[in-house]
Amino acid sequence: GEDVEQSLFLSVREGDSSVINCTYTDSSSTYLYWYKQEPGAGLQLLTYIFSNMDMKQDQRLTVLLNKKDKHLSLRIADTQTGDSAIYFCAEDTGGFKTIFGAGTRLFVKA
Amino acid sequence: NAGVTQTPKFQVLKTGQSMTLQCAQDMNHEYMSWYRQDPGMGLRLIHYSVGAGITDQGEVPNGYNVSRSTTEDFPLRLLSAAPSQTSVYFCASSKQDRGQYGYTFGSGTRLTVV
Repeated sequence: GEDVEQSLFLSVREGDSSVINCTYTDSSSTYLYWYKQEPGAGLQLLTYIFSNMDMKQDQRLTVLLNKKDKHLSLRIADTQTGDSAIYFCAEDTGGFKTIFGAGTRLFVKA
Repeated sequence: NAGVTQTPKFQVLKTGQSMTLQCAQDMNHEYMSWYRQDPGMGLRLIHYSVGAGITDQGEVPNGYNVSRSTTEDFPLRLLSAAPSQTSVYFCASSKQDRGQYGYTFGSGTRLTVV
């Protein structure tokens, strides 16, 4: 069945780069997303990548997509304490269905 | 623009009680969904709706009921609360053609069943 997997925790020092990884199973995914959840809040769309793209850059964020390996990554350059949050990878297989990963909790040490 | 509004933010229920979690959106989105978030399990889909009058079950529908009488509102009813329903509940909405916009989420309802 469809599944999205990501590691649960990542710890980095302020100013370093963070890389959050995700694997998915459905090769028919059209869009893949990264959502950010801050404490006590709902999920907010951070960025997306369309399935025919390999890379998407948006300021400090770089998304890489390897369709052959069904691997998605989110790189945050110059990580700040305000980046501490849970990051969810999600794949959209069309229609109503979006499959979410369990979320990666990013800790940023000052 | 309020986006997706959920009420209440917090709720404590006794086992066997019933209640309704409210969700409203003002973006004229066709799709609305309810998810529950549990530690280490990500988001699991409870029920969803593709338009007014149309609802369907998601991954974990047991113990929950929904209706969609208007485009704006999508309430979630707990029929007889159980401790296993202790969770954080999120309502989300999207355009039918979700594309680059993804879902818009509410801020959540933290429910504890004792």
